[in-house]
Amino acid sequence: AQKITQTQPGMFVQEKEAVTLDCTYDTSDQSYGLFWYKQPSSGEMIFLIYQGSYDEQNATEGRYSLNFQKARKSANLVISASQLGDSAMYFCAMRGFYNFNKFYFGSGTKLNVKP
Amino acid sequence: EAQVTQNPRYLITVTGKKLTVTCSQNMNHEYMSWYRQDPGLGLRQIYYSMNVEVTDKGDVPEGYKVSRKEKRNFPLILESPSPNQTSLYFCASSLSAGAANSPLHFGNGTRLTVT
Repeated sequence: AQKITQTQPGMFVQEKEAVTLDCTYDTSDQSYGLFWYKQPSSGEMIFLIYQGSYDEQNATEGRYSLNFQKARKSANLVISASQLGDSAMYFCAMRGFYNFNKFYFGSGTKLNVKP
Repeated sequence: EAQVTQNPRYLITVTGKKLTVTCSQNMNHEYMSWYRQDPGLGLRQIYYSMNVEVTDKGDVPEGYKVSRKEKRNFPLILESPSPNQTSLYFCASSLSAGAANSPLHFGNGTRLTVT
């Protein structure tokens, strides 16, 4: 069965510091995709970054990077130079290449950026 | 503007009164799906659709119905809502039904309260 685990219900970070949000996953698929989404207090879901299981390089999108360790089945999100606007809920998600009908989401991490 | 539109944003209803939450996307996406978000549980998939007239159950389909008569629309129907269906609902779409690297694009959510 597919499963996403986010073990940090809430985190604090000082403005301008970097922060890592943890995500581990469990899958029997050999090929899969990993996604991170941001949900600000207004409620919408915003796609941040994607990592394919066969991608050799870690994905980066501006201040977001994904620390992908396939052997450990982890896909941690790193936010560099945190900003107050980064305060939000963050969800890790997975989609299989063969079981691509379903997205699996973690329970989320609430990030608070302190000024 | 490319978007997924859900209506209504907020809905308060009583037990047993049938309701429909509409979802429409203007991106010609093949894949559409519905999720419910509950605290501590992340997002769980209710139903998904690979294309017109092709729908299937997600992980929590009980008490819900869907239809996909047109590519752009994917309404969620609660025939007899119950209080345990009080939740935040999201409709989402992605370009290809068969591509694991295709991210979900979300609507703004519908907050449903069943009394």
